[in-house]
Amino acid sequence: AQSVTQLDSQVPVFEEAPVELRCNYSSSVSVYLFWYVQYPNQGLQLLLKYLSGSTLVKGINGFEAEFNKSQTSFHLRKPSVHISDTAEYFCAVSEDPGGTSYGKLTFGQGTILTVHP
Amino acid sequence: DAGVIQSPRHEVTEMGQEVTLRCKPISGHDYLFWYRQTMMRGLELLIYFNNNVPIDDSGMPEDRFSAKMPNASFSTLKIQPSEPRDSAVYFCASSLLGAAAGNTIYFGEGSWLTVV
Repeated sequence: AQSVTQLDSQVPVFEEAPVELRCNYSSSVSVYLFWYVQYPNQGLQLLLKYLSGSTLVKGINGFEAEFNKSQTSFHLRKPSVHISDTAEYFCAVSEDPGGTSYGKLTFGQGTILTVHP
Repeated sequence: DAGVIQSPRHEVTEMGQEVTLRCKPISGHDYLFWYRQTMMRGLELLIYFNNNVPIDDSGMPEDRFSAKMPNASFSTLKIQPSEPRDSAVYFCASSLLGAAAGNTIYFGEGSWLTVV
């Protein structure tokens, strides 16, 4: 079965500082990896996803993530954050055909990013 | 496209009452998911459907919870009887071909349930 661990429950940063939100996953088969963002009182929106190919994936709002198969990680980064990036961020994984969790998306516990002026 | 539509957006009910949450997926999507979000447990997958058929309901917490999808454009999640510990945000989501092959899952705005 697949699982996702987000290593930080809360990350406070100052505006214009860089940020990294950490995510590790576990699966016995190949996976697809996602980052979603949830703004206060809203649903989840897709930020970016890794399917195959280049391990560096660029998403919306200046975010990017790097897939590292050997470390089973998919960390999210932004070189300079804005107040408007304050939100909760979720890492998620789905499995390739043959996995026991095929078709499902499993989420991490979420990381609350708070950007201070 | 209108996106995934959920109703009600907010519901406050008394313990013991029946609660019905509704969802209209994005037209053409063949997978529908119900998630629950709480502070303690994060985002949990309750059940998902493919072509209106329940595929995996292992996340449904107990017999008080039931979900149906009578047609491709409508699903319900019912709690009967409701309890205070059911208070949470319930999200409906839909996708084409599910999360398989990395397909994007689209979420509704959520139904905020409070059981007092």
